[in-house]
Amino acid sequence: AQTVTQSQPEMSVQEAETVTLSCTYDTSESDYYLFWYKQPPSRQMILVIRQEAYKQQNATENRFSVNFQKAAKSFSLKISDSQLGDAAMYFCAYRRGSQGNLIFGKGTKLSVKP
Amino acid sequence: GAVVSQHPSWVICKSGTSVKIECRSLDFQATTMFWYRQFPKQSLMLMATSNEGSKATYEQGVEKDKFLINHASLTLSTLTVTSAHPEDSSFYICSGSGAYNEQFFGPGTRLTVL
Repeated sequence: AQTVTQSQPEMSVQEAETVTLSCTYDTSESDYYLFWYKQPPSRQMILVIRQEAYKQQNATENRFSVNFQKAAKSFSLKISDSQLGDAAMYFCAYRRGSQGNLIFGKGTKLSVKP
Repeated sequence: GAVVSQHPSWVICKSGTSVKIECRSLDFQATTMFWYRQFPKQSLMLMATSNEGSKATYEQGVEKDKFLINHASLTLSTLTVTSAHPEDSSFYICSGSGAYNEQFFGPGTRLTVL
């Protein structure tokens, strides 16, 4: 069975600084997708970034980028120029293939200090 | 991104009563709907997967007779919690997947059973 592990229950970053959230996963599949979701206090799940496993290039979305290490099964999220609005729970998620449900890690609570 | 709505956003009910939660895809056809449950300070756990016109597939440990899922149309799925008890109190989130295999999350429903 696939598993997703987030080893940092909480992280803190100073405004305008950079922070990296860690995620590792376990799978024997070759076709899969990885995601980072943000869940603010409203609890609405917001897609931050996605990575297709077949792509070697790391995904980037504005201030958000990932470090995808396929062999190591690692998928970390880097947030640059952190803003107060980035404070939220961040969930790493795995999906087998192009369809199917998401398997979530336990989440990392990110605090941003002004 | 596409929009998924959930109704109600918050419901309080007495133990033993049934509660229905609606999940609607507003601007796309959701061929697959996923229902997740999130207990306080925990991650999202998949409860069931439903495809339009078919019976839902439930995850291990989820009682299908207690959590009734109907996906009768491409824009509406419902989750009915029958004979709810305090331990069913949780945050229920649906997500819809359409033609492009992207998943879009509803805002969630907080269920409190007294």
